[in-house]
Amino acid sequence: DVKVTQSSRYLVKRTGEKVFLECVQDMDHENMFWYRQDPGLGLRLIYFSYDVKMKEKGDIPEGYSVSREKKERFSLILESASTNQTSMYLCASSFVAEPNTEAFFGQGTRLTVV
Amino acid sequence: GQQLNQSPQSMFIQEGEDVSMNCTSSSIFNTWLWYKQDPGEGPVLLIALYKAGELTSNGRLTAQFGITRKDSFLNISASIPSDVGIYFCAGHTGGGNKLTFGTGTQLKVEL
Repeated sequence: DVKVTQSSRYLVKRTGEKVFLECVQDMDHENMFWYRQDPGLGLRLIYFSYDVKMKEKGDIPEGYSVSREKKERFSLILESASTNQTSMYLCASSFVAEPNTEAFFGQGTRLTVV
Repeated sequence: GQQLNQSPQSMFIQEGEDVSMNCTSSSIFNTWLWYKQDPGEGPVLLIALYKAGELTSNGRLTAQFGITRKDSFLNISASIPSDVGIYFCAGHTGGGNKLTFGTGTQLKVEL
């Protein structure tokens, strides 16, 4: 079974803190993604990576950065957390080559910034 | 970014009823996916569709890849309380890495 594991289920951080969200996948997927999910707004793509050290901005990259030093690991960094970054964060991974491009998700990290 | 049009937005149905939801797009997709998300959890893949016209089942769930490649349908037969959750469609255009997601259908089942 595909496994995508996010390092924390729940996090509470203070405004201005630097926050790291970690994600690991065990399927040798090339692609990895970070989404945030807010009520009424659906899933919004923050950043994705299609290879080690490669990254591309998604729809809402402001206030975030990412790191992919190893194929299996993709980190989301909030440089200076703000209350409007309180959200559910979801990591996902997939193969690049069609047809098997379906994404598999981690269990999510509920981040609260106070 | 683009989102797929998914309807209905929410449904409140009786246990045992059949459920239908659909997803439409202005763009053509090569792959259609259906996910279910339980409260506080990440989405779980239910069904993947790879070919126009394809009809695929997974237990009580049946999904179809529309002939025009611009839509997809999910049916749940004889709903049970554990069907409660949010159902998302997603499409992949090919030649890129990203999925486009629907806005979600919230399903609530009354006993």
